[in-house]
Amino acid sequence: SAVISQKPSRDICQRGTSLTIQCQVDSQVTMMFWYRQQPGQSLTLIATANQGSEATYESGFVIDKFPISRPNLTFSTLTVSNMSPEDSSIYLCSVAANRVNEQFFGPGTRLTVL
Amino acid sequence: KNEVEQSPQNLTAQEGEFITINCSYSVGISALHWLQQHPGGGIVSLFMLSSGKKKHGRLIATINIQEKHSSLHITASHPRDSAVYICAVGGGADGLTFGKGTHLIIQP
Repeated sequence: SAVISQKPSRDICQRGTSLTIQCQVDSQVTMMFWYRQQPGQSLTLIATANQGSEATYESGFVIDKFPISRPNLTFSTLTVSNMSPEDSSIYLCSVAANRVNEQFFGPGTRLTVL
Repeated sequence: KNEVEQSPQNLTAQEGEFITINCSYSVGISALHWLQQHPGGGIVSLFMLSSGKKKHGRLIATINIQEKHSSLHITASHPRDSAVYICAVGGGADGLTFGKGTHLIIQP
């Protein structure tokens, strides 16, 4: 299994600012994923972050708005840039373990933008 | 793109009742996940299924690959089972596609 921590657990931010969310895993993993869950909605994949390569973004998400870093096999960051109230969501980090299809989730970051 | 449908969206039951949550998907998959989300937002993986049936404590998950359908059952439900239960398909390099979740409330 993999244990994932996220920082911060929650934050309240002002419109127009940026927030960087950190995801730390207790073991080396190849694939890390960032998801968003807007209020009342299902989770949606933002991007896949693999170490040593650019993140792959899903339709509707762009690097300028959600830049991602993946400096090593245990850590990743997601930045939510130039925030608006529509960015108020839970942001979740997830990893795919070395066993195919097995996935683990972080505790989430609850973001409120005023 | 896979479409994942869950039913019911909301379910309120009395303590001790047998609970069933259903999930159907549109495209063949290699794995299906049942997840539990608590009010704070954290997600716990309950099951990963590729065929048949799995049991863990009072939780049972089944999948029918031919019918593209899975069910999650909770026996002898308890108020601490109150949470959102989410079905998700896929995994590996493609990430997961999620259903909208079932909001379960178990009343004492």
